[in-house]
Amino acid sequence: EAGVAQSPRYKIIEKRQSVAFWCNPISGHATLYWYQQILGQGPKLLIQFQNNGVVDDSQLPKDRFSAERLKGVDSTLKIQPAKLEDSAVYLCASSLRQTGEQYFGPGTRLTVT
Amino acid sequence: AQSVTQPDIHITVSEGASLELRCNYSYGATPYLFWYVQSPGQGLQLLLKYFSGDTLVQGIKGFEAEFKRSQSSFNLRKPSVHWSDAAEYFCAVGEAGGGNKLTFGTGTQLKVEL
Repeated sequence: EAGVAQSPRYKIIEKRQSVAFWCNPISGHATLYWYQQILGQGPKLLIQFQNNGVVDDSQLPKDRFSAERLKGVDSTLKIQPAKLEDSAVYLCASSLRQTGEQYFGPGTRLTVT
Repeated sequence: AQSVTQPDIHITVSEGASLELRCNYSYGATPYLFWYVQSPGQGLQLLLKYFSGDTLVQGIKGFEAEFKRSQSSFNLRKPSVHWSDAAEYFCAVGEAGGGNKLTFGTGTQLKVEL
């Protein structure tokens, strides 16, 4: 069974630029999560999708972050414009259902200079 | 709001020695509790989870954890550490009532001396 795929693995941008991350969950997993992991901290949930609907986006900075999950499969997370404090690893996870075990992808390491 | 505290930022143990990583949580009801491991450049891998029932749970790679409601703790243990166990370990608490939103601790970095 293929795991959660993410791309790119690394990205370096300048502040005020925009960036997008892509996630392909495990086949058949209805729930998808995006987490932000700042160096030295645990992952923090940004947004949770159930199929293509948003379940929780209470910690997503909506003035600059957006996410979508068209057709209930792949998802993209966008930052526009980026700030220095957005430097972090962005992790995507998926689960079969809302109460199921979450499987994590390898993450995208973003550096904003 | 739920929260997780991992009081040890770094721990160093010798290979073959026993290990205990501490985790304390704050949650209003019976929590779902998890331990994840993260190796450099890798995503998080689930070691074990507690939802209900037996308070001593067994996980992968020889790890176990014990849920103690009276102490609000969910400590991770391993009787004999291997050099390959060096990694960062995260404790997390999840909402018991659907949604499965996880709140993670700040992690414990484990170093294993040969």
